[in-house]
Amino acid sequence: QQQVKQSPQSLIVQKGGISIINCAYENTAFDYFPWYQQFPGKGPALLIAIRPDVSEKKEGRFTISFNKSAKQFSLHIMDSQPGDSATYFCAASMRTSGSRLTFGEGTQLTVNP
Amino acid sequence: GAGVSQSPSNKVTEKGKDVELRCDPISGHTALYWYRQRLGQGLEFLIYFQGNSAPDKSGLPSDRFSAERTGESVSTLTIQRTQQEDSAVYLCASSSRNRRYEQYFGPGTRLTVT
Repeated sequence: QQQVKQSPQSLIVQKGGISIINCAYENTAFDYFPWYQQFPGKGPALLIAIRPDVSEKKEGRFTISFNKSAKQFSLHIMDSQPGDSATYFCAASMRTSGSRLTFGEGTQLTVNP
Repeated sequence: GAGVSQSPSNKVTEKGKDVELRCDPISGHTALYWYRQRLGQGLEFLIYFQGNSAPDKSGLPSDRFSAERTGESVSTLTIQRTQQEDSAVYLCASSSRNRRYEQYFGPGTRLTVT
Protein backbone atom coordinates (compact mmCIF):
# COMPACT_ATOMS: atom_id res chain seq x y z
CA GLN A 1 0.00 0.00 0.00
CA GLN A 2 1.51 3.24 -1.19
CA GLN A 3 0.75 5.63 1.65
CA VAL A 4 2.64 8.61 0.25
CA LYS A 5 2.46 9.32 -3.48
CA GLN A 6 4.88 11.78 -5.05
CA SER A 7 4.91 13.50 -8.42
CA PRO A 8 6.43 14.20 -10.82
CA GLN A 9 9.02 11.45 -11.09
CA SER A 10 11.42 13.87 -12.79
CA LEU A 11 11.50 17.61 -13.29
CA ILE A 12 13.65 19.89 -15.42
CA VAL A 13 13.72 23.61 -14.58
CA GLN A 14 15.73 26.52 -15.86
CA LYS A 15 17.98 28.42 -13.50
CA GLY A 16 15.98 31.06 -11.67
CA GLY A 17 12.69 29.22 -12.15
CA ILE A 18 10.36 27.70 -9.59
CA SER A 19 10.45 23.97 -8.92
CA ILE A 20 7.27 22.42 -7.56
CA ILE A 21 7.00 18.85 -6.26
CA ASN A 22 3.76 17.41 -4.97
CA CYS A 23 2.85 14.71 -2.50
CA ALA A 24 -0.40 13.14 -1.35
CA TYR A 25 -0.91 10.97 1.70
CA GLU A 26 -3.62 8.59 2.83
CA ASN A 27 -3.25 8.15 6.57
CA THR A 28 -4.73 11.06 8.51
CA ALA A 29 -2.77 9.97 11.61
CA PHE A 30 0.45 11.32 10.06
CA ASP A 31 1.58 14.32 12.10
CA TYR A 32 4.93 15.31 10.60
CA PHE A 33 5.81 15.91 6.95
CA PRO A 34 9.50 16.39 6.06
CA TRP A 35 11.24 16.82 2.75
CA TYR A 36 14.64 15.27 2.18
CA GLN A 37 17.27 16.13 -0.43
CA GLN A 38 19.60 13.43 -1.68
CA PHE A 39 22.69 13.82 -3.83
CA PRO A 40 24.16 10.80 -5.66
CA GLY A 41 26.09 8.54 -3.33
CA LYS A 42 24.93 10.37 -0.21
CA GLY A 43 22.27 9.75 2.39
CA PRO A 44 19.12 11.89 2.41
CA ALA A 45 19.45 15.22 4.23
CA LEU A 46 16.55 16.87 6.02
CA LEU A 47 15.61 20.02 4.11
CA ILE A 48 12.43 21.39 5.64
CA ALA A 49 9.43 19.99 7.49
CA ILE A 50 5.91 20.94 8.52
CA ARG A 51 3.23 19.85 10.96
CA PRO A 52 -0.45 19.72 9.94
CA ASP A 53 -1.48 22.63 12.16
CA VAL A 54 0.08 25.15 9.76
CA SER A 55 -0.56 25.68 6.05
CA GLU A 56 2.83 26.99 4.99
CA LYS A 57 6.42 27.06 6.15
CA LYS A 58 9.23 28.95 4.49
CA GLU A 59 12.96 28.59 4.95
CA GLY A 60 15.04 30.64 2.56
CA ARG A 61 14.21 29.60 -1.00
CA PHE A 62 12.28 26.51 0.16
CA THR A 63 8.57 26.57 1.03
CA ILE A 64 6.20 23.79 2.04
CA SER A 65 2.51 24.30 1.34
CA PHE A 66 0.17 22.01 3.26
CA ASN A 67 -3.49 21.29 2.52
CA LYS A 68 -4.91 19.15 5.33
CA SER A 69 -8.39 18.72 3.85
CA ALA A 70 -6.97 17.51 0.53
CA LYS A 71 -4.25 15.46 2.26
CA GLN A 72 -1.63 17.03 0.04
CA PHE A 73 1.59 18.93 0.54
CA SER A 74 4.13 20.38 -1.83
CA LEU A 75 7.67 21.71 -1.95
CA HIS A 76 8.39 24.92 -3.79
CA ILE A 77 11.97 25.87 -4.62
CA MET A 78 12.20 29.51 -5.60
CA ASP A 79 15.02 30.86 -7.78
CA SER A 80 16.17 27.30 -8.53
CA GLN A 81 19.93 26.87 -8.92
CA PRO A 82 22.03 24.17 -10.63
CA GLY A 83 23.26 23.21 -7.15
CA ASP A 84 19.68 22.25 -6.28
CA SER A 85 19.87 19.40 -8.79
CA ALA A 86 19.23 16.33 -6.66
CA THR A 87 16.54 13.81 -5.79
CA TYR A 88 13.87 15.07 -3.45
CA PHE A 89 11.75 12.85 -1.25
CA CYS A 90 8.65 13.73 0.67
CA ALA A 91 7.88 11.70 3.74
CA ALA A 92 5.38 11.39 6.56
CA SER A 93 5.53 10.04 10.08
CA MET A 94 3.44 9.73 13.21
CA ARG A 95 4.49 9.78 16.86
CA THR A 96 2.50 6.64 17.64
CA SER A 97 4.68 4.61 15.25
CA GLY A 98 7.97 5.77 16.69
CA SER A 99 8.22 8.53 14.08
CA ARG A 100 9.39 6.07 11.45
CA LEU A 101 9.26 7.66 8.03
CA THR A 102 7.07 6.62 5.10
CA PHE A 103 8.65 7.98 1.93
CA GLY A 104 7.37 8.98 -1.46
CA GLU A 105 9.15 7.53 -4.48
CA GLY A 106 11.27 10.59 -5.14
CA THR A 107 11.60 13.32 -7.75
CA GLN A 108 14.79 13.80 -9.71
CA LEU A 109 15.24 17.54 -10.17
CA THR A 110 17.56 18.95 -12.81
CA VAL A 111 18.17 22.69 -12.91
CA ASN A 112 19.74 23.78 -16.16
CA PRO A 113 22.18 26.72 -16.11
CA GLY B 1 30.09 17.13 15.38
CA ALA B 2 30.28 13.75 13.71
CA GLY B 3 27.27 12.54 11.79
CA VAL B 4 25.91 9.05 11.33
CA SER B 5 28.53 6.71 9.95
CA GLN B 6 28.04 3.38 8.21
CA SER B 7 30.38 0.63 7.15
CA PRO B 8 31.26 -0.76 4.77
CA SER B 9 30.35 1.80 2.14
CA ASN B 10 30.14 -0.94 -0.48
CA LYS B 11 29.69 -4.67 -0.15
CA VAL B 12 29.63 -7.25 -2.92
CA THR B 13 28.66 -10.74 -1.87
CA GLU B 14 27.67 -14.00 -3.47
CA LYS B 15 24.13 -15.25 -3.31
CA GLY B 16 23.63 -17.38 -0.23
CA LYS B 17 26.29 -15.71 1.90
CA ASP B 18 25.57 -13.77 5.10
CA VAL B 19 26.41 -10.08 5.43
CA GLU B 20 26.69 -7.66 8.35
CA LEU B 21 26.20 -3.93 7.98
CA ARG B 22 27.18 -1.50 10.72
CA CYS B 23 25.78 1.83 11.84
CA ASP B 24 27.26 4.32 14.30
CA PRO B 25 24.59 6.88 15.23
CA ILE B 26 25.18 10.46 16.29
CA SER B 27 26.42 10.51 19.86
CA GLY B 28 23.55 10.96 22.30
CA HIS B 29 20.86 9.96 19.84
CA THR B 30 18.59 7.41 21.43
CA ALA B 31 16.57 6.38 18.38
CA LEU B 32 18.03 4.46 15.46
CA TYR B 33 16.33 3.42 12.23
CA TRP B 34 17.26 1.19 9.30
CA TYR B 35 15.84 1.78 5.84
CA ARG B 36 16.38 0.12 2.47
CA GLN B 37 16.55 2.02 -0.82
CA ARG B 38 16.22 0.04 -4.01
CA LEU B 39 17.56 1.58 -7.20
CA GLY B 40 15.44 4.54 -8.29
CA GLN B 41 12.95 4.09 -5.48
CA GLY B 42 12.04 5.65 -2.17
CA LEU B 43 13.20 4.40 1.17
CA GLU B 44 11.46 1.51 2.92
CA PHE B 45 11.45 1.26 6.71
CA LEU B 46 13.03 -1.90 8.11
CA ILE B 47 13.48 -1.63 11.88
CA TYR B 48 13.53 0.93 14.70
CA PHE B 49 15.31 0.98 18.07
CA GLN B 50 14.46 3.37 20.88
CA GLY B 51 16.64 3.15 23.97
CA ASN B 52 16.12 -0.10 25.85
CA SER B 53 12.62 -0.70 24.48
CA ALA B 54 11.86 -3.71 22.31
CA PRO B 55 12.64 -2.86 18.68
CA ASP B 56 9.91 -2.33 16.10
CA LYS B 57 10.73 -5.04 13.54
CA SER B 58 7.55 -4.64 11.51
CA GLY B 59 9.37 -3.57 8.35
CA LEU B 60 11.76 -6.50 8.07
CA PRO B 61 10.92 -8.25 4.77
CA SER B 62 11.76 -11.79 5.87
CA ASP B 63 13.25 -13.79 8.72
CA ARG B 64 16.60 -13.66 6.92
CA PHE B 65 16.88 -10.08 8.16
CA SER B 66 17.76 -9.24 11.75
CA ALA B 67 19.28 -6.32 13.62
CA GLU B 68 20.82 -5.66 16.98
CA ARG B 69 21.74 -2.57 18.89
CA THR B 70 24.06 -2.29 21.88
CA GLY B 71 22.47 0.13 24.31
CA GLU B 72 22.22 3.49 22.60
CA SER B 73 25.21 3.05 20.33
CA VAL B 74 26.23 0.86 17.43
CA SER B 75 23.72 -1.19 15.47
CA THR B 76 24.31 -4.13 13.15
CA LEU B 77 21.93 -5.26 10.40
CA THR B 78 22.47 -8.88 9.38
CA ILE B 79 21.13 -10.49 6.22
CA GLN B 80 21.44 -14.25 6.09
CA ARG B 81 21.49 -16.33 2.91
CA THR B 82 21.48 -13.24 0.73
CA GLN B 83 19.36 -13.17 -2.42
CA GLN B 84 19.72 -10.99 -5.51
CA GLU B 85 16.60 -9.03 -4.53
CA ASP B 86 18.45 -7.92 -1.39
CA SER B 87 20.68 -5.71 -3.56
CA ALA B 88 20.02 -2.14 -2.44
CA VAL B 89 21.44 0.72 -0.43
CA TYR B 90 20.90 0.21 3.29
CA LEU B 91 20.59 3.47 5.18
CA CYS B 92 20.74 4.12 8.87
CA ALA B 93 19.30 7.17 10.60
CA SER B 94 19.31 8.42 14.17
CA SER B 95 17.39 11.00 16.14
CA SER B 96 17.44 12.48 19.62
CA ARG B 97 14.98 11.64 22.38
CA ASN B 98 13.32 15.05 22.31
CA ARG B 99 13.27 15.50 18.53
CA ARG B 100 12.69 11.94 17.38
CA TYR B 101 10.95 13.09 14.24
CA GLU B 102 14.12 14.75 12.92
CA GLN B 103 16.09 11.87 11.50
CA TYR B 104 19.67 12.26 10.32
CA PHE B 105 20.90 9.75 7.78
CA GLY B 106 24.24 8.12 7.20
CA PRO B 107 25.75 7.71 3.72
CA GLY B 108 24.48 4.15 3.39
CA THR B 109 25.96 0.79 2.49
CA ARG B 110 25.52 -0.28 -1.11
CA LEU B 111 24.96 -4.04 -1.13
CA THR B 112 25.30 -5.98 -4.35
CA VAL B 113 24.41 -9.68 -4.37
CA THR B 114 25.83 -11.55 -7.36
